[in-house]
Amino acid sequence: SYELTQPLSVSVALGQTARITCGGNNIGSKNVHWYQQKPGQAPVLVIYRDSNRPSGIPERFSGSNSGNTATLTISRAQAGDEADYYCQVWDSSPNWVFGGGTKLTVL
Amino acid sequence: EVQLVESGGGLVQPGGSLRLSCAASGFTFSSYWMSWVRQAPGKGLEWVANIKQDGSEKYYVDSVKGRFTISRDNAKNSLYLQMNSLRAEDTAVYYCARVLRVPVGPFDYWGQGTLVTVSS
Repeated sequence: SYELTQPLSVSVALGQTARITCGGNNIGSKNVHWYQQKPGQAPVLVIYRDSNRPSGIPERFSGSNSGNTATLTISRAQAGDEADYYCQVWDSSPNWVFGGGTKLTVL
Repeated sequence: EVQLVESGGGLVQPGGSLRLSCAASGFTFSSYWMSWVRQAPGKGLEWVANIKQDGSEKYYVDSVKGRFTISRDNAKNSLYLQMNSLRAEDTAVYYCARVLRVPVGPFDYWGQGTLVTVSS
């Protein structure tokens, strides 16, 4: 089955740029989605199909996908961006696969 | 405004059954695939099951095949998950989610979740 690998944690200074990676075999050929989950809350879609932002998501959130790595980039990080972030793809098993999640800390 | 509201969670003994419901509003429910996604305490997200708009196609993660059944009632704008032969490892918050585009996704709206605890 297809596996997605994320770092357990990423730290970023307030106002700087955070990058969260999602690794998978030839993930560049798949559509990658990213979700933000704050403690005690449901996940929220922040990027879909690699680089598209849903309405209401700040432009500070962007995504890219190539080769074996997809990346969620958060510019000008704010305290309110602290959350767990999950990548997700569809695999042809069929199976909808999530990465293990990355905890973002804003220092 | 899209709203998904889950209900039906609770404490159940191993081997027991539980039926979860998800009430949808704010969109044309019958036009979308729907899903259940779960999250064990302190763990990540895990897709559980999907169902097509008319219920004619259903998919499950291997760990629940033969035990869980996803269904829907478009007249009631409702999604269901019948869970049988429950195990301790099924303990999780269960989220109802809308699938924006099949098959690649994403899950664009989520409910707040309902907690299922399997324990004696």
